[in-house]
Amino acid sequence: LAKTTQPISMDSYEGQEVNITCSHNNIATNDYITWYQQFPSQGPRFIIQGYKTKVTNEVASLFIPADRKSSTLSLPRVSLSDTAVYYCLVGDEGDTGRRALTFGSGTRLQVQP
Amino acid sequence: GAVVSQHPSWVICKSGTSVKIECRSLDFQATTMFWYRQFPKQSLMLMATSNEGSKATYEQGVEKDKFLINHASLTLSTLTVTSAHPEDSSFYICSAPGQDDYGYTFGSGTRLTVV
Repeated sequence: LAKTTQPISMDSYEGQEVNITCSHNNIATNDYITWYQQFPSQGPRFIIQGYKTKVTNEVASLFIPADRKSSTLSLPRVSLSDTAVYYCLVGDEGDTGRRALTFGSGTRLQVQP
Repeated sequence: GAVVSQHPSWVICKSGTSVKIECRSLDFQATTMFWYRQFPKQSLMLMATSNEGSKATYEQGVEKDKFLINHASLTLSTLTVTSAHPEDSSFYICSAPGQDDYGYTFGSGTRLTVV
């Protein structure tokens, strides 16, 4: 499984756009990039998944450059409720169900008023 | 979407006692369940994988006799922490391949405090 590296923590203010970058230099051809969000004392929650270029949903955008060695999760106009830990995961979607997700250290985002 | 119901959400027990944590898949069948443990300000660490009708697979360093896993049906997996000690205090989370966008659904977690 490709190892991921992301900042340990980030601070932001309400209304700002937050970009969290994840490095995954050893990503394999079949690997997808997935981001999860975890609030204190809760299980992780799926945010977004992508393979290349850009993916956008109602919650966030995911930017993936052509070499796919990194990815950036973009949260538009964050609010206090976006304070959480964000995990970047890389894995083969074909392994879904057969292999557990491996979580890295995650990025602790603190949003200030 | 798919839901995994985890109970209890928190529990306090005395040293030496056992605690059972349940995870149920609602509206879908989970032949596999993954169990994680998370210490404060740390990431999730996989403990074991349970499979319906067969023995669980434990990660290196996890005592199978201490953390008993039972997956007796397609919708229920249980983790029993036996002879609990204060160092077992942690946040335990289950996860099942479900029907989410990425195929994994997580329980809400169980905060175990051993006193």
